Amino acid sequence: GAVVSQHPSRVICKSGTSVKIECRSLDFQATTMFWYRQFPKQSLMLMATSNEGSKATYEQGVEKDKFLINHASLTLSTLTVTSAHPEDSSFYICSARVGASEKETQYFGPGTRLLVL
Amino acid sequence: LAKTTQPISMDSYEGQEVNITCSHNNIATNDYITWYQQFPSQGPRFIIQGYKTKVTNEVASLFIPADRKSSTLSLPRVSLSDTAVYYCLVGDTESTGGFKTIFGAGTRLFVKA
Repeated sequence: GAVVSQHPSRVICKSGTSVKIECRSLDFQATTMFWYRQFPKQSLMLMATSNEGSKATYEQGVEKDKFLINHASLTLSTLTVTSAHPEDSSFYICSARVGASEKETQYFGPGTRLLVL
Repeated sequence: LAKTTQPISMDSYEGQEVNITCSHNNIATNDYITWYQQFPSQGPRFIIQGYKTKVTNEVASLFIPADRKSSTLSLPRVSLSDTAVYYCLVGDTESTGGFKTIFGAGTRLFVKA
């Protein structure tokens, strides 16, 4: 299957700093990528849909000014957690869509563990 | 909105066949059904996808009845390494025409020796 990478795999930062997470599709082009957040023992929660060349679409309750998403190329989307706080500590996972709409298959990155002190 | 319902957890023993059923009563006509496996601290891994009847690949089978309101993931002869969370997903087409995938709670499978 298609390969999606994330960098970094884990990051520890101080409260108030910003953290950037990269998501890359390695062997295919992805016009649409998704960002999820997952807390311990919980399911994945969709944060936003990242569309190449246009603004991201955020889910209800997700602050777009706090979670900045940039999808500047067909193989790279970035999520920046601005002014991170301890409650932002979580497992962030991206995915890239292959195929169209209803028959799409999403391939997921390995995730990024963020710990805010 | 498309929504899925799965058992929260299941236990099994090595070598047994495991069947996990997912309900998706509001599945849309064009929606496909996709199953993912997730290990702790890893991203979900694609297992299998289908539209109707039966689909089989090297790791699993997917059974979908004619009404498509449910689906069953079948894992033959599970091993300890199959202990994971399994998610059933269907599409979620919005009124605006957008499309996204929403994860349900998933099924936590625990395989015992």
